[in-house]
Amino acid sequence: GQQLNQSPQSMFIQEGEDVSMNCTSSSIFNTWLWYKQDPGEGPVLLIALYKAGELTSNGRLTAQFGITRKDSFLNISASIPSDVGIYFCAGQNGQNFVFGPGTRLSVLP
Amino acid sequence: GAVVSQHPSRVICKSGTSVKIECRSLDFQATTMFWYRQFPKQSLMLMATSNEGSKATYEQGVEKDKFLINHASLTLSTLTVTSAHPEDSSFYICSAMGNLEAFFGQGTRLTVV
Repeated sequence: GQQLNQSPQSMFIQEGEDVSMNCTSSSIFNTWLWYKQDPGEGPVLLIALYKAGELTSNGRLTAQFGITRKDSFLNISASIPSDVGIYFCAGQNGQNFVFGPGTRLSVLP
Repeated sequence: GAVVSQHPSRVICKSGTSVKIECRSLDFQATTMFWYRQFPKQSLMLMATSNEGSKATYEQGVEKDKFLINHASLTLSTLTVTSAHPEDSSFYICSAMGNLEAFFGQGTRLTVV
């Protein structure tokens, strides 16, 4: 079946640093989504991307939909302690929704 | 964004009993809902896809007779863990498909004692 790969699997950064993570697939998707999960909570939608090449920002977060429609990246600028969590990407085609394994982010004060 | 409500958030039950978890889309209709299971420090594992008015589609290795899914309306899907055992203890999360995105519930922490 379709699978998404996320890298890195985990990362430790200093507060204030910028973060970059990406998501790749062997399949094409029409929509890319980025979610964040806090411990003990369900994932929350951060950014949705609908067009190849689209670059979208949400505060300190920026995400891009790759030109090939097989990848996407998420950047976080000037990280803060509350950015800690697991970041999941998801690709969607119609009712088909595929979830990545997640990138676990730790922010050191 | 759209709201998906999952209830209960925590439940403790005795081994051998059944537990029902509800997932409601509060401000949109969802023809498709997904049920996930998550072990500590791991990613979400898709258990089944629930379509309104039809039988759920289960992922390989997920027992459909143990994890009963009902999607009787466009705003409600339920997951019933039947004859629960301690190994069923986990974090269960639902999501509901909107027009273009999926929105997640808050999750249910199930502990079977």
